[in-house]
Amino acid sequence: DTEVTQTPKHLVMGMTNKKSLKCEQHMGHRAMYWYKQKAKKPPELMFVYSYEKLSINESVPSRFSPECPNSSLLNLHLHALQPEDSALYLCASSPGTTSYNEQFFGPGTRLTVL
Amino acid sequence: AQSVTQLDSHVSVSEGTPVLLRCNYSSSYSPSLFWYVQHPNKGLQLLLKYTSAATLVKGINGFEAEFKKSETSFHLTKPSAHMSDAAEYFCVVSVYGGSQGNLIFGKGTKLSVKP
Repeated sequence: DTEVTQTPKHLVMGMTNKKSLKCEQHMGHRAMYWYKQKAKKPPELMFVYSYEKLSINESVPSRFSPECPNSSLLNLHLHALQPEDSALYLCASSPGTTSYNEQFFGPGTRLTVL
Repeated sequence: AQSVTQLDSHVSVSEGTPVLLRCNYSSSYSPSLFWYVQHPNKGLQLLLKYTSAATLVKGINGFEAEFKKSETSFHLTKPSAHMSDAAEYFCVVSVYGGSQGNLIFGKGTKLSVKP
């Protein structure tokens, strides 16, 4: 299995809702990432997990809460989002944590906040 | 500090003609460089990567890139464009050491392919 899967593909939520995004990989990768991508822009890094521990939080608002239950799974819990949080949320994984490791991206979750 | 500049925001070619997408980088160290492609409403797919081995790197779907240290460039080329190549392309440099996993993305080049 050489892919990163993300569910759901699309999500519409109100500003008072609580929802979660899920990401899974079975490549034995030890680093996993969440990115946010707005239209016509490159992805922006949100969080990095290395060996199931949060190692980077790029000053993301607390309404986004990541979780890494095991080495294959990464969640992003959403609560009280704002309309400007509407974007494509991408998950990625990499074999290790060195700079020469490429990242493998999932197809993304298209989030719309009403 | 590392940075990457994609010199064209939009490139348009005819099907069957060569593709050139330009990328310049800045890095205090020997960089790791990548090209990713993103089709509409899709995730990013790795086309190729350079990690200080051969300077001419071959990737998937007929793409290749040449690392030129003297010019600090990593341009992406393909001899003959196909309609399916129409997409957004990102040149990416990996941060050396320090915060692992930090990729620095260029702003992207949109490739259009005319029939």
